[in-house]
Amino acid sequence: NAGVTQTPKFRVLKTGQSMTLLCAQDMNHEYMYWYRQDPGMGLRLIHYSVGEGTTAKGEVPDGYNVSRLKKQNFLLGLESAAPSQTSVYFCASGPRVDEQYFGPGTRLTVT
Amino acid sequence: GQSLEQPSEVTAVEGAIVQINCTYQTSGFYGLSWYQQHDGGAPTFLSYNALDGLEETGRFSSFLSRSDSYGYLLLQELQMKDSASYFCAVRNTDKLIFGTGTRLQVFP
Repeated sequence: NAGVTQTPKFRVLKTGQSMTLLCAQDMNHEYMYWYRQDPGMGLRLIHYSVGEGTTAKGEVPDGYNVSRLKKQNFLLGLESAAPSQTSVYFCASGPRVDEQYFGPGTRLTVT
Repeated sequence: GQSLEQPSEVTAVEGAIVQINCTYQTSGFYGLSWYQQHDGGAPTFLSYNALDGLEETGRFSSFLSRSDSYGYLLLQELQMKDSASYFCAVRNTDKLIFGTGTRLQVFP
């Protein structure tokens, strides 16, 4: 039982490049979330999903897209990376909204 | 809208008891959650209170008063490893709204 895993753990991008972050969970959770956290700050919700095939926008969705084709996977795409997207990205899943289990995070730097 | 308030920082010594408060404003309330995050780590789920009262899990307890829109996290027998940030959170439809976090520093 691996819980929530995220790939990659670290990444450096140049401005304008694109990439996809993968989140996988093996707990059969319906709810999945993507957050970003900047140094010394709280968590900001980017996009989320309440079940396979569904997605919805969070607080800061601009510049990101998501897909949930399979229940266990939630992908976050950056279409054209910008330095303002330098952050730590956390994926979370949960059996309900109030109880979320987080992955280890992806540290992304955009130069 | 929804908002949560918690102190930015709390300090305590090993072995002591510390209480981290959280007040919230929300249009529809389901319950109050607490998360812990160590520096450089990921948030981890600690507790959830849907009903008034105290819930105990080992050294940690969480309290909720729905009538006062208030809750707290109580940490007993503090250890150095408890130094971390603690976030309260409330549900807004299908997502959580997190507080800005309380940084707890435990000194020897």
